[in-house]
Amino acid sequence: DAGVTQSPTHLIKTRGQQVTLRCSPKSGHDTVSWYQQALGQGPQFIFQYYEEEERQRGNFPDRFSGHQFPNYSSELNVNALLLGDSALYLCASGAGVTEAFFGQGTRLTVV
Amino acid sequence: AQSVTQLDSQVPVFEEAPVELRCNYSSSVSVYLFWYVQYPNQGLQLLLKYLSGSTLVESINGFEAEFNKSQTSFHLRKPSVHISDTAEYFCAVIYTGGGNKLTFGTGTQLKVEL
Repeated sequence: DAGVTQSPTHLIKTRGQQVTLRCSPKSGHDTVSWYQQALGQGPQFIFQYYEEEERQRGNFPDRFSGHQFPNYSSELNVNALLLGDSALYLCASGAGVTEAFFGQGTRLTVV
Repeated sequence: AQSVTQLDSQVPVFEEAPVELRCNYSSSVSVYLFWYVQYPNQGLQLLLKYLSGSTLVESINGFEAEFNKSQTSFHLRKPSVHISDTAEYFCAVIYTGGGNKLTFGTGTQLKVEL
């Protein structure tokens, strides 16, 4: 079992650009959540997908959007990147309310 | 607002000494409680969790945490730490009835020294 896998591991973008991050959940998991972890902070909930629909959303602007595919994998898209979007983006998958297995994260740097 | 407070941003401790990492959450009717550990440049790993039942929960590597409803706390303890325990520790809460998103504290950096 590969666990939760995220790609890419690192990337650098310029302000104003758009970025897409990808997540493959752990086998058997149908729910994917995304979190943003700024340097020195705890992760902040962005949104959660279940059955290809956004089920819950945190306090993030509409520039942050996502998608879940029929195979349960997910994408996080961020438009019009700001310097403040620089962070570690974590994907978590689960099959119940209390399950959350995290991937290694994608380190996004906006310059 | 629902929040989690980890009062200590850094905790230095000598190897084989005991340690306690504190966690308090804003009051709610029902919660699920978690401790996650994060090693440098890695994601989060679940250390232990409280869902129901016994208020004392243990991990396989010697950590334990006790759910105290009256004090809305879930402090993490280990009687004897090892160098390999050096990491960032995050307390997290799921407030039942609010979906299953995790609300995290700001983390405590545990640094074990020889």
